[in-house]
Amino acid sequence: NAGVTQTPKFQVLKTGQSMTLQCAQDMNHNSMYWYRQDPGMGLRLIYYSASEGTTDKGEVPNGYNVSRLNKREFSLRLESAAPSQTSVYFCASTGLAGGNEQFFGPGTRLTVL
Amino acid sequence: KQEVTQIPAALSVPEGENLVLNCSFTDSAIYNLQWFRQDPGKGLTSLLLIQSSQREQTSGRLNASLDKSSGRSTLYIAASQPGDSATYLCAVRGDRGSTLGRLYFGRGTQLTVWP
Repeated sequence: NAGVTQTPKFQVLKTGQSMTLQCAQDMNHNSMYWYRQDPGMGLRLIYYSASEGTTDKGEVPNGYNVSRLNKREFSLRLESAAPSQTSVYFCASTGLAGGNEQFFGPGTRLTVL
Repeated sequence: KQEVTQIPAALSVPEGENLVLNCSFTDSAIYNLQWFRQDPGKGLTSLLLIQSSQREQTSGRLNASLDKSSGRSTLYIAASQPGDSATYLCAVRGDRGSTLGRLYFGRGTQLTVWP
């Protein structure tokens, strides 16, 4: 099992460009999450999907959109990137079994110039 | 809104010491609490998961306790080693209403263990 995978690992964008961060899990988990991690701010929830076909806003959703493509995949899209979106982005997933332990991907380091 | 606080923010100890990391949370309506380790430039690795009905969990040299009513958890690391150097994050999962299923994170304790 690969667990939670994310692509790309690194990305540099110019202000106003768009991109999609991809996330996939092979653990048959129902719930998936997108977080951003910034120095001094900790991890903050952007969007989550409690189950296939549903998505909800987290603490910092402005400037982002998400798609739960199927049970395995949850993508995060930046429509018009801004320097304030420079961050490390983590995808995570949780299943009903195993006590609802949350597993994280390796992260995507995004720089917006 | 759930607030999670970790104390201390940084800790530097010599190898071999036993140490305690603290985590507190403001809303006791939690489903579980999870401790993570994060190495520089890396993702989060789950260390221990404590369900709300449990008091503690152990894995090797790590022991995590949970006092749900007082909103506190501690992570005890026995006989610390340089390889334990990392940032340790505490996170709680809500169990009702708008917090259901979401993890709330503390800002972490940055641990350095020197030889």
